[in-house]
Amino acid sequence: GAGVSQSPSNKVTEKGKDVELRCDPISGHTALYWYRQSLGQGLEFLIYFQGNSAPDKSGLPSDRFSAERTGGSVSTLTIQRTQQEDSAVYLCASSLRSGFYNEQFFGPGTRLTVL
Amino acid sequence: DQQVKQNSPSLSVQEGRISILNCDYTNSMFDYFLWYKKYPAEGPTFLISISSIKDKNEDGRFTVFLNKSAKHLSLHIVPSQPGDSAVYFCAASGGNTGNQFYFGTGTSLTVIP
Repeated sequence: GAGVSQSPSNKVTEKGKDVELRCDPISGHTALYWYRQSLGQGLEFLIYFQGNSAPDKSGLPSDRFSAERTGGSVSTLTIQRTQQEDSAVYLCASSLRSGFYNEQFFGPGTRLTVL
Repeated sequence: DQQVKQNSPSLSVQEGRISILNCDYTNSMFDYFLWYKKYPAEGPTFLISISSIKDKNEDGRFTVFLNKSAKHLSLHIVPSQPGDSAVYFCAASGGNTGNQFYFGTGTSLTVIP
């Protein structure tokens, strides 16, 4: 399809395990965002990639969280030593260019449950 | 801290009537505001936006109003249709927020046929 895709759609893991979440942005989109939505909360910004520039990691909640974007396309969000408070829906979005005025297209999200 | 707030978690409206969804923000530096619509098991989709140089933007049945002095925006849907039933998020950005968009917690709209 032409939209943003994310995998897996659901992930259940045990506390202390590492998880990797994948995002395939729309082809040609140079900007990529990761958000998470915890129960009863709004979307929380995590990290932003723009082309080959250094990512904006200001939203990552701890050093257990990291993300990379290979070849300016696919992105992987890694959470190490997962905790129960990491349970949330993790959403990826891409936009054609950086900047506030460029529409973000969201993927369907990955629901992470940490037992 | 929650810089964008949607104080009504849910709203029910009769089909054909007006739906009004409200959003408040605290950062006076925000200068661009968006509304997203989200169906279950899908990602949010962009609905309508407004920049701070305007106080109203209209797109078909959807109109967004911005009151900068009150730091308040609202989304009006007229007439409401059952297919509008979804969760609506407002978001804001600009000024000193870098690349971040700040989202509210969402309002779940149910349009009753």
